[in-house]
Amino acid sequence: QLQLRESGPGLVKPSGTLSLTCTVSGDSINSSIYYWGWIRQPPGRGPEWIGSIFYLGSTHYNPSLRSRVTISIDTSKSQFSLKVTSVTAADTAVYYCARHRSSWNWFDPWGQGTLVTVSS
Amino acid sequence: QSVLTQPPSASGTPGQRVTISCSGSSSNIGINVVNWYQQLPGTAPKLLIHTNNLRPSGVPDRFSGSKSGTSASLAISGLQSEDEAHYYCAAWDNNLNGAVFGGGTQLTVL
Repeated sequence: QLQLRESGPGLVKPSGTLSLTCTVSGDSINSSIYYWGWIRQPPGRGPEWIGSIFYLGSTHYNPSLRSRVTISIDTSKSQFSLKVTSVTAADTAVYYCARHRSSWNWFDPWGQGTLVTVSS
Repeated sequence: QSVLTQPPSASGTPGQRVTISCSGSSSNIGINVVNWYQQLPGTAPKLLIHTNNLRPSGVPDRFSGSKSGTSASLAISGLQSEDEAHYYCAAWDNNLNGAVFGGGTQLTVL
């Protein structure tokens, strides 16, 4: 059964860089069908797609975050990662990773999520 | 302000049928498929309906989806207490060139 798990610091200082890793288990990350995505959910609000990556390294980013976001993949470790630079309080959210069927744009399954707070 | 518009709340009594609407535009729902997610309190969203009206394995047939023009709906029949959750619609937006979500509807089972 496919499982995803996010890991990384729960507290980041303003103007700093948020870094998270998603570990995939139970199935291969080298899929020719699926992308691997990051989604965040600010407290009390709906989800926001951040971006997605294919196992060969091609990426799609949310245009509103593109200038600050980098998603990378390490297939040897079955991991993909997220970096968000120049963070502010507005980046405080629960961050999820998920498998992304991009052709139909659905995300399934999702990781359990990790809360990242931007504060000094 | 979400690209996809949902009512913030909905409610029903056990056994009742409720529907949740999702309104979009010609650049998203009008030309792309709609997916629905259920988020139980304190958990990650779970795919409930994909490709407008298809249920992933394990999702009860009490849940159904439909799409017409630039709007979509999620229907829940035989409402149960465990259906109390937030529900989100989602679609790809060709103008924004990205995945977009609705603001969510909190369903209360009275």
